[in-house]
Amino acid sequence: DAGVTQSPTHLIKTRGQHVTLRCSPISGHKSVSWYQQVLGQGPQFIFQYYEKEERGRGNFPDRFSARQFPNYSSELNVNALLLGDSALYLCASSLGGAGNQPQHFGDGTRLSIL
Amino acid sequence: QKEVEQDPGPLSVPEGAIVSLNCTYSNSAFQYFMWYRQYSRKGPELLMYTYSSGNKEDGRFTAQVDKSSKYISLFIRDSQPSDSATYLCAMSGVSSGYALNFGKGTSLLVTP
Repeated sequence: DAGVTQSPTHLIKTRGQHVTLRCSPISGHKSVSWYQQVLGQGPQFIFQYYEKEERGRGNFPDRFSARQFPNYSSELNVNALLLGDSALYLCASSLGGAGNQPQHFGDGTRLSIL
Repeated sequence: QKEVEQDPGPLSVPEGAIVSLNCTYSNSAFQYFMWYRQYSRKGPELLMYTYSSGNKEDGRFTAQVDKSSKYISLFIRDSQPSDSATYLCAMSGVSSGYALNFGKGTSLLVTP
C-alpha cells in the first residue's frame, strides 16, 4: 500500500514568492497535518485538517494557509516567502482527527529560499 | 522552557549494545506518546505508539512511559548499524488538539 506521498520533493524559491506544496494521504485516512522541520530541530505543527475542515493551527503567521480536498488530499500554501521559511515541510495522515489515531509521515518537501 | 526536552546527542554505541533514549515533558495533559525514527533526507517513521503510562514491546524495541515523572524512554536491544538515525519523541493530548509535540531528536550512531 502506498504511504503518504508529497510533491514536489525539492523546491527552490526566492524571497517574496509564494509556494504550494501537495500531499496525498494513505488510502482511507481522512486527517492530514502539516509540520515544518528546520535543520537540527523536531517538526513543528502548522495545521491539521479533518474531513475538509481546519481542526488546529500552530503558531505560524497568516502567510501560511492550507486546505483539504474532497479526496482528502491537501495543499499547503506559503505567501511572501522569507529566508527563514527554508525547511523540510512534512505531511502526516491519520485515520481520524483524534489522538488515538497515530500519524504517519511522508518524506517531505525540502524548500530552499534564496 | 520547551514542552518536550530531548538530548540531541550525538550518541555513539558499538553494534550489539543496548541503547537508551529519553525525553522529559512539562505538560501533564499529554496522553499519547510516540517514538519516530528519521533517516537522513527522509520523513519520520513511526516506531512505537503508546497511550498513558506503562511499557510496550515490539521486537528489539521497548517503550516506557512514566507519567508521574513526565519521562518517556525507548530501549533498543542488540543495536545494529541500520539503527543509525535520528530518534524523535513526540506526544499529544486534548490540550494540544492532538497535534504532535516533538523533541529535538537524538542522533544515534551504531558502529560495526
